[in-house]
Amino acid sequence: QQQVKQSPQSLIVQKGGISIINCAYENTAFDYFPWYQQFPGKGPALLIAIRPDVSEKKEGRFTISFNKSAKQFSLHIMDSQPGDSATYFCAASPSGTYKYIFGTGTRLKVLA
Amino acid sequence: NAGVTQTPKFQVLKTGQSMTLQCAQDMNHNSMYWYRQDPGMGLRLIYYSASEGTTDKGEVPNGYNVSRLNKREFSLRLESAAPSQTSVYFCASRLAGLYEQYFGPGTRLTVT
Repeated sequence: QQQVKQSPQSLIVQKGGISIINCAYENTAFDYFPWYQQFPGKGPALLIAIRPDVSEKKEGRFTISFNKSAKQFSLHIMDSQPGDSATYFCAASPSGTYKYIFGTGTRLKVLA
Repeated sequence: NAGVTQTPKFQVLKTGQSMTLQCAQDMNHNSMYWYRQDPGMGLRLIYYSASEGTTDKGEVPNGYNVSRLNKREFSLRLESAAPSQTSVYFCASRLAGLYEQYFGPGTRLTVT
C-alpha cells in the first residue's frame, strides 16, 4: 500500500512562532499534494495545496515547500496563532486518480 | 448552500446490527467518497464513486457496502457491525476536473 508518512504526531508552539510539519511519500507517481486542517468535531477542510512542478507555494501565513527529489513536502505556518490550533493532515493524490492517500495527522497546539 | 451533509451525527450499535450512513451534497459535484478516521491512522478511503452509477473499493472496503442513489446522495451501509468499525466516518465530494475534496461534518459510530 502506498504510504505518506507524516511527522511530528504532535507539536506545541508559542504564539508568534513557526510551526513546521513534514511529510514524505514513497516511490510512486503523485500529481497533487494538499494540506487539510481539521478542528475538533468538524470535517477536514483544504488549507493549501501544491502540484509537483512547483517547489513552493505561499498563501498568507501558510507555505508549502516541496522537494521532488527527496520525495518530501512540508507545511510552514508563520506567526502561529492560537486559532491555528487544530489537526493537520498532508495527503498525496496518485496521478490521474483524484483519490487521496492521507498522512496520519499532526495535532498542533499554539500557546497564547 | 449546505455543502456536504451527513446523518446521523452520532450512533451506537450493538455487534451484528446493521445501519446506513447517509451523505448528500448540493454542490452538483460528480465524485463522492467515504472515509473512516481512526486515532493515529489518518483518514482511510472506504469506497468512492467517480460519477453517478459507478462505485469502487478504496483501501479498507471489507464490511461495508455503498449505494450512489443519485448525483446528490451516496450512502454507506454496515450489514453486520463489528467493534472494529467503531470510528468517525466522513463523506466528501469533488467537482469533476478539480482535486479539492469537500468534507462533511462526520458521523461518530460506536459499536459495542
